[in-house]
Amino acid sequence: EVQLVQSGAEVKKPGESLKISCKASGYNFPFYWIGWVRHMPGKGLEWMGMIYPGDSDVRYSPSFRGQVTISADKSITTAFVQWSSLQASDTAMYYCARSIYYDTNGNPHAFDIWGQGTMVNVSS
Amino acid sequence: SYELTQPPSMSVSPGQTASITCSGHKLGDKDVCWYQQRAGQSPVLVIYQDAKRPSGIPERFSGSNFGDTATLTISGTQAMDEADYYCQAWDSSSALNVFGTGTKVTVL
Repeated sequence: EVQLVQSGAEVKKPGESLKISCKASGYNFPFYWIGWVRHMPGKGLEWMGMIYPGDSDVRYSPSFRGQVTISADKSITTAFVQWSSLQASDTAMYYCARSIYYDTNGNPHAFDIWGQGTMVNVSS
Repeated sequence: SYELTQPPSMSVSPGQTASITCSGHKLGDKDVCWYQQRAGQSPVLVIYQDAKRPSGIPERFSGSNFGDTATLTISGTQAMDEADYYCQAWDSSSALNVFGTGTKVTVL
Protein backbone atom coordinates (compact mmCIF):
# COMPACT_ATOMS: atom_id res chain seq x y z
CA GLU A 1 0.00 0.00 0.00
CA VAL A 2 1.29 3.43 -0.96
CA GLN A 3 1.22 5.74 2.03
CA LEU A 4 2.77 8.75 3.70
CA VAL A 5 2.87 8.70 7.50
CA GLN A 6 3.69 11.95 9.26
CA SER A 7 5.16 12.51 12.70
CA GLY A 8 2.92 13.38 15.60
CA ALA A 9 1.53 16.66 16.88
CA GLU A 10 3.94 19.17 18.38
CA VAL A 11 3.57 21.87 21.04
CA LYS A 12 6.40 24.40 21.00
CA LYS A 13 7.32 27.81 22.36
CA PRO A 14 8.27 30.79 20.19
CA GLY A 15 11.94 30.73 19.28
CA GLU A 16 12.26 26.96 19.51
CA SER A 17 13.35 24.79 16.57
CA LEU A 18 11.37 21.95 15.06
CA LYS A 19 11.72 19.23 12.42
CA ILE A 20 8.69 17.21 11.32
CA SER A 21 8.79 14.16 9.09
CA CYS A 22 6.90 12.32 6.37
CA LYS A 23 7.71 8.62 6.02
CA ALA A 24 6.95 7.15 2.58
CA SER A 25 6.29 3.49 1.83
CA GLY A 26 4.96 1.31 -0.95
CA TYR A 27 6.58 3.08 -3.89
CA ASN A 28 9.98 4.10 -5.29
CA PHE A 29 10.65 7.12 -3.08
CA PRO A 30 13.48 8.86 -5.03
CA PHE A 31 11.45 9.25 -8.21
CA TYR A 32 8.42 11.26 -7.08
CA TRP A 33 8.16 14.86 -5.87
CA ILE A 34 7.08 15.37 -2.27
CA GLY A 35 5.37 18.66 -1.44
CA TRP A 36 4.60 20.36 1.86
CA VAL A 37 1.38 22.28 2.49
CA ARG A 38 0.41 24.61 5.33
CA HIS A 39 -3.18 24.88 6.52
CA MET A 40 -3.70 27.58 9.08
CA PRO A 41 -6.90 27.49 11.19
CA GLY A 42 -9.80 28.87 9.20
CA LYS A 43 -7.65 29.61 6.14
CA GLY A 44 -6.94 28.03 2.76
CA LEU A 45 -4.22 25.62 1.72
CA GLU A 46 -0.77 27.02 0.90
CA TRP A 47 2.14 25.33 -0.89
CA MET A 48 5.33 25.74 1.10
CA GLY A 49 7.65 23.97 -1.29
CA MET A 50 8.60 20.58 -2.65
CA ILE A 51 11.56 18.27 -3.07
CA TYR A 52 12.62 15.63 -5.60
CA PRO A 53 14.39 13.08 -3.37
CA GLY A 54 16.33 11.58 -6.27
CA ASP A 55 18.61 14.60 -6.60
CA SER A 56 17.40 16.76 -3.67
CA ASP A 57 16.12 19.48 -6.02
CA VAL A 58 14.12 21.78 -3.71
CA ARG A 59 11.67 24.52 -4.70
CA TYR A 60 10.31 27.04 -2.18
CA SER A 61 7.25 29.23 -2.38
CA PRO A 62 8.33 32.90 -2.15
CA SER A 63 6.39 33.20 1.12
CA PHE A 64 8.34 30.38 2.74
CA ARG A 65 11.83 30.80 1.30
CA GLY A 66 14.21 31.49 4.18
CA GLN A 67 11.53 30.57 6.74
CA VAL A 68 11.74 26.77 6.48
CA THR A 69 14.13 24.12 5.17
CA ILE A 70 12.85 21.14 3.20
CA SER A 71 14.99 18.02 2.94
CA ALA A 72 14.80 14.28 2.32
CA ASP A 73 16.77 11.17 3.28
CA LYS A 74 16.54 8.48 0.61
CA SER A 75 18.03 5.83 2.91
CA ILE A 76 14.98 6.02 5.18
CA THR A 77 12.47 7.18 2.51
CA THR A 78 11.54 10.20 4.59
CA ALA A 79 11.02 13.87 3.82
CA PHE A 80 11.33 16.66 6.36
CA VAL A 81 10.51 20.30 6.93
CA GLN A 82 12.25 22.22 9.67
CA TRP A 83 12.14 25.58 11.38
CA SER A 84 15.09 27.15 13.20
CA SER A 85 13.01 29.62 15.20
CA LEU A 86 9.25 29.11 15.41
CA GLN A 87 6.76 31.93 15.70
CA ALA A 88 3.17 31.88 16.94
CA SER A 89 2.10 32.46 13.32
CA ASP A 90 3.54 29.03 12.42
CA THR A 91 0.65 27.41 14.28
CA ALA A 92 -1.03 25.26 11.64
CA MET A 93 -1.63 21.79 10.27
CA TYR A 94 1.13 20.70 7.91
CA TYR A 95 0.63 18.08 5.21
CA CYS A 96 3.06 16.24 2.96
CA ALA A 97 1.88 14.89 -0.39
CA ARG A 98 3.28 12.91 -3.32
CA SER A 99 3.05 14.00 -6.96
CA ILE A 100 2.60 11.21 -9.47
CA TYR A 101 1.26 13.29 -12.34
CA TYR A 102 3.03 15.82 -14.53
CA ASP A 103 1.47 18.61 -16.56
CA THR A 104 1.96 18.99 -20.29
CA ASN A 105 5.14 21.00 -19.67
CA GLY A 106 6.69 18.32 -17.47
CA ASN A 107 6.09 20.11 -14.16
CA PRO A 108 4.93 18.19 -11.07
CA HIS A 109 1.18 18.53 -11.25
CA ALA A 110 -1.35 16.74 -9.10
CA PHE A 111 -0.60 15.20 -5.72
CA ASP A 112 -2.36 11.88 -5.30
CA ILE A 113 -1.25 10.60 -1.88
CA TRP A 114 -1.39 12.75 1.26
CA GLY A 115 -0.14 12.27 4.77
CA GLN A 116 -2.50 12.48 7.72
CA GLY A 117 -1.14 15.87 8.73
CA THR A 118 1.02 17.13 11.62
CA MET A 119 -0.48 19.77 13.90
CA VAL A 120 2.05 22.30 15.14
CA ASN A 121 1.00 24.59 17.98
CA VAL A 122 3.36 27.43 18.90
CA SER A 123 2.43 29.28 22.06
CA SER A 124 4.17 30.91 24.96
CA SER B 1 2.96 35.51 -8.42
CA TYR B 2 0.10 33.70 -10.11
CA GLU B 3 -3.32 33.99 -8.45
CA LEU B 4 -6.30 31.67 -8.65
CA THR B 5 -9.66 33.00 -7.46
CA GLN B 6 -12.62 30.90 -6.34
CA PRO B 7 -15.99 31.89 -4.86
CA PRO B 8 -15.75 31.59 -1.05
CA SER B 9 -18.87 29.49 -0.66
CA MET B 10 -21.87 27.97 -2.34
CA SER B 11 -24.80 25.83 -1.36
CA VAL B 12 -26.51 23.09 -3.34
CA SER B 13 -29.49 20.83 -2.74
CA PRO B 14 -29.00 17.05 -2.74
CA GLY B 15 -29.30 15.64 -6.24
CA GLN B 16 -28.61 18.98 -7.91
CA THR B 17 -25.50 20.10 -9.81
CA ALA B 18 -22.75 22.17 -8.22
CA SER B 19 -20.36 24.11 -10.45
CA ILE B 20 -17.28 25.55 -8.79
CA THR B 21 -15.20 28.05 -10.75
CA CYS B 22 -11.50 28.87 -10.59
CA SER B 23 -10.26 31.99 -12.38
CA GLY B 24 -6.73 32.94 -13.39
CA HIS B 25 -4.96 34.74 -16.23
CA LYS B 26 -4.85 32.42 -19.27
CA LEU B 27 -5.66 29.50 -16.99
CA GLY B 28 -6.78 27.52 -20.02
CA ASP B 29 -3.13 27.34 -21.10
CA LYS B 30 -2.26 25.45 -17.92
CA ASP B 31 -3.23 22.07 -16.48
CA VAL B 32 -5.60 22.35 -13.52
CA CYS B 33 -6.35 19.86 -10.78
CA TRP B 34 -8.92 19.91 -7.97
CA TYR B 35 -8.83 18.69 -4.38
CA GLN B 36 -11.65 17.94 -1.97
CA GLN B 37 -11.03 18.47 1.75
CA ARG B 38 -13.71 17.30 4.14
CA ALA B 39 -13.72 18.75 7.64
CA GLY B 40 -10.85 17.40 9.72
CA GLN B 41 -9.41 15.31 6.89
CA SER B 42 -6.49 15.45 4.48
CA PRO B 43 -7.14 16.72 0.94
CA VAL B 44 -8.13 14.20 -1.74
CA LEU B 45 -7.35 14.60 -5.44
CA VAL B 46 -10.61 14.46 -7.44
CA ILE B 47 -9.59 15.85 -10.87
CA TYR B 48 -6.19 16.19 -12.56
CA GLN B 49 -5.05 17.47 -15.97
CA ASP B 50 -8.25 19.53 -16.25
CA ALA B 51 -10.72 16.64 -16.61
CA LYS B 52 -9.25 13.28 -15.61
CA ARG B 53 -10.51 11.37 -12.57
CA PRO B 54 -8.15 9.33 -10.39
CA SER B 55 -9.11 5.76 -9.67
CA GLY B 56 -11.86 5.57 -7.08
CA ILE B 57 -13.33 9.03 -7.70
CA PRO B 58 -17.04 8.86 -8.61
CA GLU B 59 -18.14 9.73 -12.14
CA ARG B 60 -20.28 12.58 -10.80
CA PHE B 61 -17.07 14.64 -10.55
CA SER B 62 -15.99 16.26 -13.82
CA GLY B 63 -13.79 19.14 -14.87
CA SER B 64 -13.20 21.60 -17.69
CA ASN B 65 -10.77 24.42 -18.38
CA PHE B 66 -11.01 27.11 -21.06
CA GLY B 67 -9.96 30.72 -21.38
CA ASP B 68 -9.45 32.18 -17.92
CA THR B 69 -11.75 29.77 -16.05
CA ALA B 70 -11.61 26.17 -14.90
CA THR B 71 -14.75 24.52 -13.56
CA LEU B 72 -15.33 21.55 -11.28
CA THR B 73 -18.81 20.11 -11.69
CA ILE B 74 -20.47 17.76 -9.22
CA SER B 75 -23.54 16.15 -10.76
CA GLY B 76 -26.18 14.63 -8.50
CA THR B 77 -24.55 16.12 -5.41
CA GLN B 78 -24.65 13.97 -2.29
CA ALA B 79 -24.37 14.89 1.37
CA MET B 80 -20.90 13.34 1.44
CA ASP B 81 -19.73 15.94 -1.11
CA GLU B 82 -19.97 18.69 1.50
CA ALA B 83 -16.39 19.91 1.76
CA ASP B 84 -13.89 22.60 0.83
CA TYR B 85 -12.67 22.43 -2.77
CA TYR B 86 -9.38 23.85 -4.06
CA CYS B 87 -8.14 24.26 -7.59
CA GLN B 88 -4.41 24.17 -8.32
CA ALA B 89 -2.16 25.10 -11.24
CA TRP B 90 1.52 25.69 -11.96
CA ASP B 91 3.04 29.12 -11.43
CA SER B 92 5.94 29.41 -13.84
CA SER B 93 7.30 32.54 -12.12
CA SER B 94 7.95 30.66 -8.88
CA ALA B 95 8.37 27.19 -10.45
CA LEU B 96 5.84 25.86 -7.97
CA ASN B 97 2.17 24.98 -7.78
CA VAL B 98 -0.36 27.40 -6.34
CA PHE B 99 -3.78 26.74 -4.80
CA GLY B 100 -6.94 28.63 -5.46
CA THR B 101 -8.57 30.51 -2.60
CA GLY B 102 -10.93 27.61 -1.89
CA THR B 103 -14.71 27.14 -2.03
CA LYS B 104 -16.82 25.79 0.81
CA VAL B 105 -19.65 23.68 -0.59
CA THR B 106 -22.65 23.14 1.66
CA VAL B 107 -25.23 20.49 0.78
CA LEU B 108 -28.64 21.32 2.23
